[in-house]
Amino acid sequence: EAQVTQNPRYLITVTGKKLTVTCSQNMNHEYMSWYRQDPGLGLRQIYYSMNVEVTDKGDVPEGYKVSRKEKRNFPLILESPSPNQTSLYFCASSRSGSGANVLTFGAGSRLTVL
Amino acid sequence: AQSVAQPEDQVNVAEGNPLTVKCTYSVSGNPYLFWYVQYPNRGLQFLLKYITGDNLVKGSYGFEAEFNKSQTSFHLKKPSALVSDSALYFCASSGGYNKLIFGAGTRLAVHP
Repeated sequence: EAQVTQNPRYLITVTGKKLTVTCSQNMNHEYMSWYRQDPGLGLRQIYYSMNVEVTDKGDVPEGYKVSRKEKRNFPLILESPSPNQTSLYFCASSRSGSGANVLTFGAGSRLTVL
Repeated sequence: AQSVAQPEDQVNVAEGNPLTVKCTYSVSGNPYLFWYVQYPNRGLQFLLKYITGDNLVKGSYGFEAEFNKSQTSFHLKKPSALVSDSALYFCASSGGYNKLIFGAGTRLAVHP
């Protein structure tokens, strides 16, 4: 089944404790992206990747890092999480970065930072 | 700046009645417009998109949307609502490469 898989689905952590949210897709998609969803704000892009070793900032990149060493994986790293990073996170992928392409989303990762 | 507005936080409709979820956009050039739906504890699922051509776009689960360039709108519609349509709906616009701009979302509640 074609899908985007995120882990963990739920995580409660404390301020300053580094964490990684993994994202993997099995569709050989070139483009991958991370979004955060907050009530009343919709989804906002954190980082995106056009292909292996090609990443760039989205609208809200502060406090996050990403890497794209393999085509299928695009982990999101929070080096020193803070409470304002409590949110619902989605990874998504598409065949390319063309604006006409449909995004396939993962099921989401709900992160709480205490 | 590019933006998408969904003016209603929530839409309530009785089962069997027609539904409309509103969306307006502000982008430069010709927009690509999308509707996605989010069910509880699930990721977003694609419903339909407008790229070019016919202004009336048909999508999954009986949904359709009408692109109106003069009103910069892309409202989502369905002739007869089902209780199972209850979910969070997002309108999105791609004004260029690499990025979708999402509206804040509209919660649709269909009552039996």
